[in-house]
Amino acid sequence: EVQLLESGGGLVQPGGSLRLSCVASGFTFSNYAMTWVRQAPGKGLEWVSTMSGRGSTTYYADSVKGRFTISRDNSKNMVFLQMNNLRAEDTAVYFCARDKAAVAGGNYFDSWGQGALVTVSS
Amino acid sequence: DIQMTQSPSTLSASVGDTVTITCRASQSISDWLAWYQQKPGKAPKLLIYKASGLENGVPSRFSGSGSGTEFTLTISSLQPDDFATYYCQQYNSYYTFGQGTKLEIK
Repeated sequence: EVQLLESGGGLVQPGGSLRLSCVASGFTFSNYAMTWVRQAPGKGLEWVSTMSGRGSTTYYADSVKGRFTISRDNSKNMVFLQMNNLRAEDTAVYFCARDKAAVAGGNYFDSWGQGALVTVSS
Repeated sequence: DIQMTQSPSTLSASVGDTVTITCRASQSISDWLAWYQQKPGKAPKLLIYKASGLENGVPSRFSGSGSGTEFTLTISSLQPDDFATYYCQQYNSYYTFGQGTKLEIK
């Protein structure tokens, strides 16, 4: 059974940093691209970032480009989202999701974690 | 950027009804479209991929159709468990979600 479990959420001040982690199990991790999607309170889903299975390709939404960095450690079955210079509008539940293929881009997301809440507030 | 517009934003229906949700893309996305179901406090769940492909384990009362710029999700014979919010997502060029359609009990 595919399982994804996020951690690292919390309260951070504007301009601060936070690192989210997502540990995966139940599948061969390096065979799949991984994605972060966020959902602001009471709002819809917003794609944030995707990394290919081997980590060679990354994509970012314009709203986070230059501030967020996605990475992965295939030896530990983990994907990370380093979030710097956080803004109030980054407040959201952050989901990690498994892409349907190893290549980044052009996939749908077939498994999701339960989410980690990030609150940016002074 | 490709924009995705869902309609309606809210839909009221009764158990046993058949409902249809529409998703329009701002430019052609061929059939690179997925549908997800989300319940409050939970992660989204994949229902449909490539516009009409039914994900494993999803009941056959869910069906998707369309190509190009116009797509539909149809739920036949609504069950109590189906009342949730539904999102379309294009994956032709990066990723964009629709704003969601909340399916409520009438």
